[in-house]
Amino acid sequence: DIQMTQSPSSLSASVGDRVTITCQASQDIRNYLNWYQQRPGKAPKLLIHDASNLETGVPSRFSGHKSGTDFIFTISSLQPEDTATYYCQQYDNLPPTFGQGTKLEIK
Amino acid sequence: EVQLVESGGDLVQPGGSLRLSCAASGFTFSSYWMTWVRQASGKGLEWVASIKRDGSEKYYVASVKGRFTISRDNAKNSLYLQMNSLRAEDTAVYYCARDRVEMATIPYTVLDYWGQGTLVTVSS
Repeated sequence: DIQMTQSPSSLSASVGDRVTITCQASQDIRNYLNWYQQRPGKAPKLLIHDASNLETGVPSRFSGHKSGTDFIFTISSLQPEDTATYYCQQYDNLPPTFGQGTKLEIK
Repeated sequence: EVQLVESGGDLVQPGGSLRLSCAASGFTFSSYWMTWVRQASGKGLEWVASIKRDGSEKYYVASVKGRFTISRDNAKNSLYLQMNSLRAEDTAVYYCARDRVEMATIPYTVLDYWGQGTLVTVSS
């Protein structure tokens, strides 16, 4: 199975900050990577698919791209409602696998 | 509006069985792969199983293979997960989710709609 490693596992930032989360796959997954947001007590929400494609209705402050073998998720200007845990997920190979999550808190 | 509503979660003893259901509405259910994902309390997400539009292909995570069965009834717009020989490590919230790609021939597992989840607790 493909292992997905996210970093950091948690972070705290202020409203308006730029936030970056990184996801590494244990092998090449081309661009078959999703990013999800999970607010406390809620189901996950798809934000980005195919590494960089923003899901319809998702604010443009969220973005994703691939840099070498790393996948980068960015929030350009953090908002209070962005408090959540963020997960990457590969779908290049079965079984699809998730990163361990990054818990984002607002200072 | 797309809606997915899970039901059937309960407290069950180790070795017991449970059947989860997911009622879908707001889209053409038979056109999409469907998936179950679970999440133990305070833990991350784990893909459990996916089923093709017509039920002809099914895929499972290794830890549930032979114990869980995913199925669907397109006439009833419903997805199911039959869970047998349950173990303590199966305790989790179980979500049903829709694959984003309509009329796909393979399971992309780009999950664009999720239900609210149903809690399964395996304990004596």
